[in-house]
Amino acid sequence: KQEVTQIPAALSVPEGENLVLNCSFTDSAIYNLQWFRQDPGKGLTSLLLIQSSQREQTSGRLNASLDKSSGRSTLYIAASQPGDSATYLCAVFSSNTGKLIFGQGTTLQVKP
Amino acid sequence: DGGITQSPKYLFRKEGQNVTLSCEQNLNHDAMYWYRQDPGQGLRLIYYSQIVNDFQKGDIAEGYSVSREKKESFPLTVTSAQKNPTAFYLCASSSSGRNTEQYFGPGTRLTVT
Repeated sequence: KQEVTQIPAALSVPEGENLVLNCSFTDSAIYNLQWFRQDPGKGLTSLLLIQSSQREQTSGRLNASLDKSSGRSTLYIAASQPGDSATYLCAVFSSNTGKLIFGQGTTLQVKP
Repeated sequence: DGGITQSPKYLFRKEGQNVTLSCEQNLNHDAMYWYRQDPGQGLRLIYYSQIVNDFQKGDIAEGYSVSREKKESFPLTVTSAQKNPTAFYLCASSSSGRNTEQYFGPGTRLTVT
């Protein structure tokens, strides 16, 4: 059974720091991995999608990597800003079940 | 503007009543999904539909029902059989194929007392 874990559950950093959020998954049989952002009481916003054949994707200050063989992905946020404060969720699309499996998220606070 | 709309944003019901949550998309996506989110937990799949007039149970379908009569609409009914219906409900859609992004609506917070 595919399980997705995100560590840490919460993170607080001062503005301007570069930071890394971690995501691990137990089954390498995936089609893709997606990183989302969720603000309190809101829906999910897709940040980056990495296909299983890719190693990384970049969008602005965000860079996501994927190591399928080790079951790991990282989301790198450069020069963090208070507006980056949110919960970040990773999800893998399992090729065995055809479903998107979510981690529990990392709640990020960037202090001015 | 293209996107997914969910209504209402907040919904309150008494225990024992059925309630229907609306989800509409104008992205011309074939697939639509319903997820449930509880505090401190990841999203869990309730039902999904890959095409009009067809849908499949997700991981926690008991106490829920859906219909897919139109491509753009995928309403979710929370029945009185659902033991813990209070939660945040999220609808999503994606184009056909398994390598595509899922896009989410703003969610409906349901409170049952």
